[in-house]
Amino acid sequence: KAGVTQTPRYLIKTRGQQVTLSCSPISGHRSVSWYQQTPGQGLQFLFEYFSETQRNKGNFPGRFSGRQFSNSRSEMNVSTLELGDSALYLCASSLTGAEVTEAFFGQGTRLTVV
Amino acid sequence: QKEVEQDPGPLSVPEGAIVSLNCTYSNSAFQYFMWYRQYSRKGPELLMYTYSSGNKEDGRFTAQVDKSSKYISLFIRDSQPSDSATYLCAMSGTGTASKLTFGTGTRLQVTL
Repeated sequence: KAGVTQTPRYLIKTRGQQVTLSCSPISGHRSVSWYQQTPGQGLQFLFEYFSETQRNKGNFPGRFSGRQFSNSRSEMNVSTLELGDSALYLCASSLTGAEVTEAFFGQGTRLTVV
Repeated sequence: QKEVEQDPGPLSVPEGAIVSLNCTYSNSAFQYFMWYRQYSRKGPELLMYTYSSGNKEDGRFTAQVDKSSKYISLFIRDSQPSDSATYLCAMSGTGTASKLTFGTGTRLQVTL
């Protein structure tokens, strides 16, 4: 069974640009959550999608957005990049989102903003 | 103040030592308490979890939750170099649609 796949693995962007990250969940999983991981703050919840609808949102500015497609694949977008957006972005999938102990993480996308 | 506090370490121990990792939290609504392990350049993987209070043992790993003190622990017995990783505690309430609240993680190094 394939795991959660995130692409690309690494990205380097310039301040002011925008970026789109992709997450393909485990087959059959319909909930996708996104987290930002930085050394000082750890993992912080960005948002969660289920059946193409955002159900939950963390405390991040509107520059961070996401969407989910009918096949449960999800993308997140960050516009007007800032240096502080440099982080490891992780997504996790689960069947419905209620199984907090059955969330599986991808390997992440390492974003560097220069 | 963060909802979940965790000492970032690093923590260095010799092979065979008992390791104690801890987190404190402030949100009384948390019901699920999890420990994740994250190797370098990898995503977190769930080690074990506890629902509500109590202890849980899985091989060399023991998780403890003390809700009265809002304090959770992970003990690793007979630590191995392969245990070298970052350990993250995570917590969740019920019905919160997969939102996990994490500690910042403790980096553990087990030396030969």
